[in-house]
Amino acid sequence: QLVLTQSPSASASLGASVKLTCTLSSGHSSYAIAWHQQQPEKGPRFLMKVNSDGGHTKGDGIPDRFSGSSSGAERYLTISSLQYEDEADYYCQTWGPGSWVFGGGTKLTVL
Amino acid sequence: QVQLVESGGGVVQPGRSLRLSCAASGFTFSIYSMHWVRQAPGKGLEWVAVISYDGSSKYYADSVKGRFTISRDNSKNTLFLQMNSLRTEDTAVYYCARDGDYDFYWGQGTLVTVSS
Repeated sequence: QLVLTQSPSASASLGASVKLTCTLSSGHSSYAIAWHQQQPEKGPRFLMKVNSDGGHTKGDGIPDRFSGSSSGAERYLTISSLQYEDEADYYCQTWGPGSWVFGGGTKLTVL
Repeated sequence: QVQLVESGGGVVQPGRSLRLSCAASGFTFSIYSMHWVRQAPGKGLEWVAVISYDGSSKYYADSVKGRFTISRDNSKNTLFLQMNSLRTEDTAVYYCARDGDYDFYWGQGTLVTVSS
């Protein structure tokens, strides 16, 4: 079964970097994923698509501070030079047979 | 620019029906599959349904199968979600969304509250 696993929460200081992880279930390590950001009281916003080789394609207007990478079944979202506006929920998502699958989301707190 | 604008949400009693719409603009609507995704209060994102570009294929989450119907009108660039036999657990913000090879777009969402 295709499942995406994310840690429920993460925190980092203003100006620092943070790396969020999304883990694909066994047998699905070749899947690409997408990262979406959801700021408080707003709808989701597409950040980037990350392939199994670590290549990533960002959405329009996404700052260079946001980058993606991969290792095995893990897909990463790295945010550098953290700003208060980065405090949000981050969801990974992938493509199943005729459906989308979402991770549970990671709530990022900027200290 | 790509815009997806949902409408039709509101408060409805359990067992009743509601129809959501999503007006699309800024892209060639008729060549893309379209999705509905929902988010219950304080919860994560849940995929609901997808319809192929021409409406010939439709898939649903188990939680809504047999109660919800996704459809589209390519002549009006509009996506629909007919929701029947609504339950309290269907209370959520409903988003329409579309992905492509290199992009992904979300609407702003419409709130559906199922309550007696």
